[in-house]
Amino acid sequence: AQSVTQPDIHITVSEGASLELRCNYSYGATPYLFWYVQSPGQGLQLLLKYFSGDTLVQGIKGFEAEFKRSQSSFNLRKPSVHWSDAAEYFCAVVLTDSWGKFQFGAGTQVVVTP
Amino acid sequence: DAGITQSPRHKVTETGTPVTLRCHQTENHRYMYWYRQDPGHGLRLIHYSYGVKDTDKGEVSDGYSVSRSKTEDFLLTLESATSSQTSVYFCAISEAAVKDTYEQYFGPGTRLTVT
Repeated sequence: AQSVTQPDIHITVSEGASLELRCNYSYGATPYLFWYVQSPGQGLQLLLKYFSGDTLVQGIKGFEAEFKRSQSSFNLRKPSVHWSDAAEYFCAVVLTDSWGKFQFGAGTQVVVTP
Repeated sequence: DAGITQSPRHKVTETGTPVTLRCHQTENHRYMYWYRQDPGHGLRLIHYSYGVKDTDKGEVSDGYSVSRSKTEDFLLTLESATSSQTSVYFCAISEAAVKDTYEQYFGPGTRLTVT
């Protein structure tokens, strides 16, 4: 079955430390890949997206993600987190023939400690 | 920020009553989507629209209907609300379902509680 998996439900990280959030997908073809962030009580904001080309993509707020076809993964990273990065992060995919229908992972809650 | 509003932002209703949520956009985007967000499930697609009067079901469409009579408005109706429909509902829009424009912009959400 087609799926998007975020293995980590909850991550705690110290301010200034690095952060990596995992995302794996299971589809017959390579989908288009996205990372969104949701701050408490807010809607979702796009961090970055991958369609093709360079497998390392840069996004907003200092985030980057790397697409690895062999591992069916699209992991999100940030070298040094700030307290304002505390939020929930969602990986999402869309298939090219699906009228833009997104499928989201269950989300990873990130807590930043002083 | 994309011009997307949702109304109401909060609603408490009783089981068995009909409820309509409205999504309004000022971006003239063709595609509109309704999602529900529940802990442990992320966002799940309820219904979507690819044009005026053109709609289709998502993965969790049972108990929901939608209508789109104008480009800017996409209505989600719970014909007879149940407690399992207590959730946060998000509307999203997209300019087109082609490469480089798949990005979806999300509204602020509607928190619905069914008692």
